[in-house]
Amino acid sequence: NAGVMQNPRHLVRRRGQEARLRCSPMKGHSHVYWYRQLPEEGLKFMVYLQKENIIDESGMPKERFSAEFPKEGPSILRIQQVVRGDSAAYFCASSTGLAGDTQYFGPGTRLTVL
Amino acid sequence: GNSVTQMEGPVTLSEEAFLTINCTYTATGYPSLFWYVQYPGEGLQLLLKATKADDKGSNKGFEATYRKETTSFHLEKGSVQVSDSAVYFCALRPRDSGGSNYKLTFGKGTLLTVNP
Repeated sequence: NAGVMQNPRHLVRRRGQEARLRCSPMKGHSHVYWYRQLPEEGLKFMVYLQKENIIDESGMPKERFSAEFPKEGPSILRIQQVVRGDSAAYFCASSTGLAGDTQYFGPGTRLTVL
Repeated sequence: GNSVTQMEGPVTLSEEAFLTINCTYTATGYPSLFWYVQYPGEGLQLLLKATKADDKGSNKGFEATYRKETTSFHLEKGSVQVSDSAVYFCALRPRDSGGSNYKLTFGKGTLLTVNP
Protein backbone atom coordinates (compact mmCIF):
# COMPACT_ATOMS: atom_id res chain seq x y z
CA ASN A 1 0.00 0.00 0.00
CA ALA A 2 1.77 3.09 -1.23
CA GLY A 3 2.07 6.01 1.13
CA VAL A 4 1.66 9.66 0.30
CA MET A 5 3.61 10.47 -2.83
CA GLN A 6 5.03 13.81 -3.78
CA ASN A 7 6.81 14.89 -6.91
CA PRO A 8 9.17 16.20 -7.83
CA ARG A 9 11.36 15.61 -4.81
CA HIS A 10 13.61 18.49 -5.79
CA LEU A 11 12.67 21.47 -7.92
CA VAL A 12 14.86 24.34 -9.03
CA ARG A 13 13.32 27.49 -10.46
CA ARG A 14 14.59 30.92 -11.39
CA ARG A 15 12.93 34.01 -10.00
CA GLY A 16 9.73 34.79 -11.85
CA GLN A 17 9.05 31.23 -12.99
CA GLU A 18 6.17 29.03 -11.86
CA ALA A 19 6.49 26.04 -9.54
CA ARG A 20 3.99 23.16 -9.51
CA LEU A 21 4.17 20.65 -6.69
CA ARG A 22 2.11 17.46 -6.80
CA CYS A 23 0.75 15.28 -4.05
CA SER A 24 -1.02 11.94 -4.37
CA PRO A 25 -2.72 10.96 -1.10
CA MET A 26 -2.77 7.50 0.37
CA LYS A 27 -5.33 5.13 -1.05
CA GLY A 28 -8.70 5.76 0.58
CA HIS A 29 -7.81 9.26 1.76
CA SER A 30 -9.80 12.20 0.45
CA HIS A 31 -8.34 14.94 2.67
CA VAL A 32 -5.07 16.68 1.85
CA TYR A 33 -3.03 19.19 3.81
CA TRP A 34 -0.03 21.24 2.68
CA TYR A 35 2.68 22.44 5.07
CA ARG A 36 5.77 24.53 4.41
CA GLN A 37 9.08 24.33 6.21
CA LEU A 38 11.28 27.37 5.81
CA PRO A 39 14.97 27.04 6.72
CA GLU A 40 15.48 26.78 10.49
CA GLU A 41 11.72 26.69 11.08
CA GLY A 42 9.15 24.06 11.92
CA LEU A 43 6.48 22.96 9.48
CA LYS A 44 3.67 25.49 9.14
CA PHE A 45 0.14 24.78 7.93
CA MET A 46 -0.78 26.27 4.58
CA VAL A 47 -4.01 24.79 3.26
CA TYR A 48 -6.53 22.00 3.78
CA LEU A 49 -8.43 20.53 0.85
CA GLN A 50 -10.98 17.88 0.15
CA LYS A 51 -11.82 16.67 -3.33
CA GLU A 52 -12.85 19.75 -5.35
CA ASN A 53 -13.07 21.92 -2.21
CA ILE A 54 -10.73 24.23 -0.34
CA ILE A 55 -11.67 23.92 3.31
CA ASP A 56 -9.12 26.23 4.91
CA GLU A 57 -6.45 28.28 3.16
CA SER A 58 -5.69 30.56 6.10
CA GLY A 59 -1.99 29.66 6.03
CA MET A 60 -1.47 30.42 2.36
CA PRO A 61 0.15 33.68 1.27
CA LYS A 62 -2.53 35.84 -0.29
CA GLU A 63 -0.70 36.33 -3.56
CA ARG A 64 0.99 33.97 -6.01
CA PHE A 65 0.02 30.78 -4.15
CA SER A 66 -2.91 28.54 -5.04
CA ALA A 67 -3.91 24.95 -4.38
CA GLU A 68 -6.37 22.53 -5.84
CA PHE A 69 -7.47 18.93 -5.38
CA PRO A 70 -9.47 17.91 -8.42
CA LYS A 71 -11.91 15.05 -8.63
CA GLU A 72 -9.32 13.06 -10.54
CA GLY A 73 -5.58 13.26 -10.12
CA PRO A 74 -3.22 14.63 -7.52
CA SER A 75 -3.44 17.75 -5.43
CA ILE A 76 -1.41 20.61 -6.88
CA LEU A 77 0.27 23.46 -5.03
CA ARG A 78 1.08 26.20 -7.51
CA ILE A 79 3.43 29.09 -6.89
CA GLN A 80 3.50 31.78 -9.54
CA GLN A 81 6.39 34.20 -10.10
CA VAL A 82 8.57 32.56 -7.50
CA VAL A 83 10.93 34.64 -5.35
CA ARG A 84 13.95 33.54 -3.34
CA GLY A 85 11.90 33.61 -0.14
CA ASP A 86 9.77 30.75 -1.51
CA SER A 87 12.74 28.39 -1.18
CA ALA A 88 11.60 25.79 1.34
CA ALA A 89 10.50 22.20 1.80
CA TYR A 90 6.82 21.67 1.03
CA PHE A 91 5.16 18.71 2.68
CA CYS A 92 1.83 17.17 1.85
CA ALA A 93 -0.19 15.03 4.25
CA SER A 94 -3.38 13.07 3.78
CA SER A 95 -6.02 11.59 6.04
CA THR A 96 -9.44 9.96 6.03
CA GLY A 97 -11.06 13.07 7.49
CA LEU A 98 -12.60 11.16 10.39
CA ALA A 99 -12.50 12.73 13.85
CA GLY A 100 -9.10 12.33 15.49
CA ASP A 101 -7.53 10.76 12.40
CA THR A 102 -3.80 10.68 11.76
CA GLN A 103 -2.18 12.76 9.05
CA TYR A 104 0.27 10.74 6.97
CA PHE A 105 3.06 12.73 5.38
CA GLY A 106 4.85 12.50 2.07
CA PRO A 107 8.64 12.90 1.64
CA GLY A 108 8.33 16.54 0.66
CA THR A 109 9.41 18.66 -2.30
CA ARG A 110 12.46 20.84 -1.79
CA LEU A 111 12.07 24.00 -3.85
CA THR A 112 15.13 26.11 -4.58
CA VAL A 113 14.69 29.50 -6.23
CA LEU A 114 17.81 30.86 -7.87
CA GLY B 1 -1.80 31.28 19.34
CA ASN B 2 -0.48 27.75 19.56
CA SER B 3 3.24 27.10 19.62
CA VAL B 4 5.72 24.29 20.22
CA THR B 5 9.27 24.74 21.48
CA GLN B 6 11.67 21.85 21.31
CA MET B 7 15.28 21.33 22.14
CA GLU B 8 17.65 22.73 19.59
CA GLY B 9 19.95 20.25 17.96
CA PRO B 10 21.97 18.68 16.76
CA VAL B 11 22.17 15.97 19.37
CA THR B 12 24.97 13.43 19.04
CA LEU B 13 25.01 10.29 21.17
CA SER B 14 26.83 7.00 21.31
CA GLU B 15 24.91 3.79 20.78
CA GLU B 16 23.07 2.59 23.92
CA ALA B 17 23.07 6.07 25.46
CA PHE B 18 19.94 7.56 27.06
CA LEU B 19 18.02 10.06 24.98
CA THR B 20 15.87 12.99 26.04
CA ILE B 21 14.51 15.59 23.64
CA ASN B 22 12.59 18.31 25.44
CA CYS B 23 9.32 19.70 24.12
CA THR B 24 7.02 22.29 25.65
CA TYR B 25 3.89 23.79 24.20
CA THR B 26 1.51 26.71 24.45
CA ALA B 27 -2.11 26.14 23.53
CA THR B 28 -5.63 26.92 24.64
CA GLY B 29 -7.47 23.99 26.11
CA TYR B 30 -6.05 20.50 25.97
CA PRO B 31 -4.46 19.68 22.64
CA SER B 32 -3.35 16.28 21.41
CA LEU B 33 0.43 15.92 21.34
CA PHE B 34 2.62 14.06 18.86
CA TRP B 35 6.16 13.10 18.06
CA TYR B 36 6.98 12.64 14.39
CA VAL B 37 10.26 11.23 13.04
CA GLN B 38 11.83 11.92 9.67
CA TYR B 39 14.49 9.49 8.47
CA PRO B 40 16.87 10.71 5.76
CA GLY B 41 15.12 11.09 2.41
CA GLU B 42 11.71 10.11 3.77
CA GLY B 43 8.51 11.80 4.90
CA LEU B 44 7.44 12.43 8.46
CA GLN B 45 6.19 9.34 10.26
CA LEU B 46 4.07 9.39 13.37
CA LEU B 47 6.20 7.98 16.20
CA LEU B 48 3.79 8.29 19.12
CA LYS B 49 0.97 10.41 20.45
CA ALA B 50 -1.01 11.27 23.58
CA THR B 51 -4.46 12.76 23.65
CA LYS B 52 -5.00 13.72 27.28
CA ALA B 53 -3.13 14.67 30.43
CA ASP B 54 -0.97 11.94 32.00
CA ASP B 55 -1.29 9.74 28.91
CA LYS B 56 1.96 8.06 27.92
CA GLY B 57 2.61 7.44 24.25
CA SER B 58 5.13 4.73 23.39
CA ASN B 59 6.52 3.07 20.28
CA LYS B 60 9.80 1.38 19.26
CA GLY B 61 11.26 1.95 22.72
CA PHE B 62 10.45 5.67 22.71
CA GLU B 63 8.15 7.18 25.32
CA ALA B 64 6.62 10.57 26.06
CA THR B 65 4.20 11.58 28.82
CA TYR B 66 1.64 14.38 28.46
CA ARG B 67 2.31 16.69 31.41
CA LYS B 68 -0.39 19.33 31.69
CA GLU B 69 1.14 21.02 34.75
CA THR B 70 4.41 21.72 32.94
CA THR B 71 2.89 21.83 29.41
CA SER B 72 5.54 19.37 28.29
CA PHE B 73 5.84 16.23 26.19
CA HIS B 74 9.50 15.20 26.41
CA LEU B 75 10.68 12.31 24.25
CA GLU B 76 12.84 9.62 25.91
CA LYS B 77 14.52 6.39 24.97
CA GLY B 78 16.60 4.29 27.30
CA SER B 79 19.10 2.95 24.78
CA VAL B 80 19.44 4.50 21.33
CA GLN B 81 20.61 2.69 18.22
CA VAL B 82 22.38 3.91 15.11
CA SER B 83 19.11 3.35 13.21
CA ASP B 84 17.42 6.00 15.40
CA SER B 85 19.42 8.72 13.66
CA ALA B 86 16.79 11.07 12.25
CA VAL B 87 15.06 14.40 12.76
CA TYR B 88 12.41 14.40 15.50
CA PHE B 89 9.48 16.82 15.48
CA CYS B 90 7.17 17.59 18.38
CA ALA B 91 3.69 18.74 17.35
CA LEU B 92 0.31 19.62 18.78
CA ARG B 93 -3.19 19.43 17.40
CA PRO B 94 -5.84 21.63 18.99
CA ARG B 95 -9.07 20.24 20.31
CA ASP B 96 -11.21 23.26 19.74
CA SER B 97 -14.81 23.16 18.65
CA GLY B 98 -14.32 25.90 16.08
CA GLY B 99 -13.49 23.42 13.41
CA SER B 100 -9.75 23.97 12.97
CA ASN B 101 -8.68 20.90 14.93
CA TYR B 102 -6.81 19.51 11.93
CA LYS B 103 -3.99 22.07 12.00
CA LEU B 104 -0.79 20.60 13.33
CA THR B 105 1.66 23.03 14.91
CA PHE B 106 5.25 21.79 14.82
CA GLY B 107 8.46 22.54 16.63
CA LYS B 108 11.58 23.23 14.56
CA GLY B 109 12.84 19.68 14.75
CA THR B 110 15.85 18.13 16.48
CA LEU B 111 18.50 16.27 14.51
CA LEU B 112 19.72 13.18 16.34
CA THR B 113 22.88 11.38 15.27
CA VAL B 114 23.79 8.12 16.96
CA ASN B 115 27.34 6.89 16.50
CA PRO B 116 28.35 3.22 16.79
